[in-house]
Amino acid sequence: QQPVQSPQAVILREGEDAVINCSSSKALYSVHWYRQKHGEAPVFLMILLKGGEQKGHEKISASFNEKKQQSSLYLTASQLSYSGTYFCGVRSGGGADGLTFGKGTHLIIQP
Amino acid sequence: KAGVTQTPRYLIKTRGQQVTLSCSPISGHRSVSWYQQTPGQGLQFLFEYFSETQRNKGNFPGRFSGRQFSNSRSEMNVSTLELGDSALYLCASSPQEVPSSYNEQFFGPGTRLTVL
Repeated sequence: QQPVQSPQAVILREGEDAVINCSSSKALYSVHWYRQKHGEAPVFLMILLKGGEQKGHEKISASFNEKKQQSSLYLTASQLSYSGTYFCGVRSGGGADGLTFGKGTHLIIQP
Repeated sequence: KAGVTQTPRYLIKTRGQQVTLSCSPISGHRSVSWYQQTPGQGLQFLFEYFSETQRNKGNFPGRFSGRQFSNSRSEMNVSTLELGDSALYLCASSPQEVPSSYNEQFFGPGTRLTVL
């Protein structure tokens, strides 16, 4: 089952903050965040593992609530380059399952 | 290092035909995954291969199949094409790490398939 992302779309002014949420009905082993710009391939942002480990870009922060099976991606002081579609992907089954992505959150940053 | 390459980049087929898409992973990467991307459904997982073995398969009909070769290159095949198969097909490769769930994926540019 696909994780559910919210909001579906958000428009911000440059410098404002945004939070993108991802929730799953299944017990999660890991959450993966990617950003895709129009006409380009998705690009890795961050991985969060059950147990607290995480790996990703320094300027990106995220949280993983294992009990609620939810993750949130925090974009602070947004820049024009942050525009794009953000996807969360989840692995369950102890990490052995394939990576299942949500439908994405469209983020538009205006000057 | 060269990135993930996919061929062809664009393909037009008619209903009932079959198609084979190719993916060459980043050198040294042994894991390859395939995704179907459509505006309505986003990124949907098709298969995941590691060292020529299919590790996972998504919820797609048997018309969708794939394989991985000893050099880690991968192909996916769709038989008896339907209009709904029109999509961007993305391939992603990952380096070998333990646990595998900790791998970031590097996506290729995709193959745009149009079924008429």
